[in-house]
Amino acid sequence: NAGVTQTPKFRILKIGQSMTLQCAQDMNHNYMYWYRQDPGMGLKLIYYSVGAGITDKGEVPNGYNVSRSTTEDFPLRLELAAPSQTSVYFCASSYAGASTDTQYFGPGTRLTVL
Amino acid sequence: GQQVMQIPQYQHVQEGEDFTTYCNSSTTLSNIQWYKQRPGGHPVFLIQLVKSGEVKKQKRLTFQFGEAKKNSSLHITATQTTDVGTYFCAGISGGYQKVTFGIGTKLQVIP
Repeated sequence: NAGVTQTPKFRILKIGQSMTLQCAQDMNHNYMYWYRQDPGMGLKLIYYSVGAGITDKGEVPNGYNVSRSTTEDFPLRLELAAPSQTSVYFCASSYAGASTDTQYFGPGTRLTVL
Repeated sequence: GQQVMQIPQYQHVQEGEDFTTYCNSSTTLSNIQWYKQRPGGHPVFLIQLVKSGEVKKQKRLTFQFGEAKKNSSLHITATQTTDVGTYFCAGISGGYQKVTFGIGTKLQVIP
């Protein structure tokens, strides 16, 4: 049981480039989340999904897109990367939803936009 | 929108001293969660509090949820070097899946 996995671990992008951050979980969780963590700050919710085919915006969705075609995968797409998107991105999942259940976090992707 | 404030932002303690971090929400919460993040690591769930006035203990850690469900605290008794990390509270409101994290309290333990 690998839990929540994220790829890549590190990435440097140039301004205007695009990329997809991958997230997968093998716990059969319905709920999945994307957070960003800026240095010395807490986590801010970007997008979340309550099941395959259903996604919704979190607190800071601008500049990002998500899709959820399967229960296992929840990729995060960055279009036209900007320096303000330099951050550590964490994917998380839970079985019954954050309001009642534990969130399990992946190891994170450290993204730098230059 | 909902805001969750956490203090202090940093705390240095001598090993063996106690440590407390406080979390305050601008709105009434349905429940609150606490996470620990080791340096360079990812957040790891510690506990969830649901009931007004609830107190839960995990060995040297004591978690409290206020009577009004707008504040919470985490107290560590006799800190050890293994307690080093950042402790986050996360407030959840109503039936939404949106979790608001506090800024975290970074704990340094001096041996």
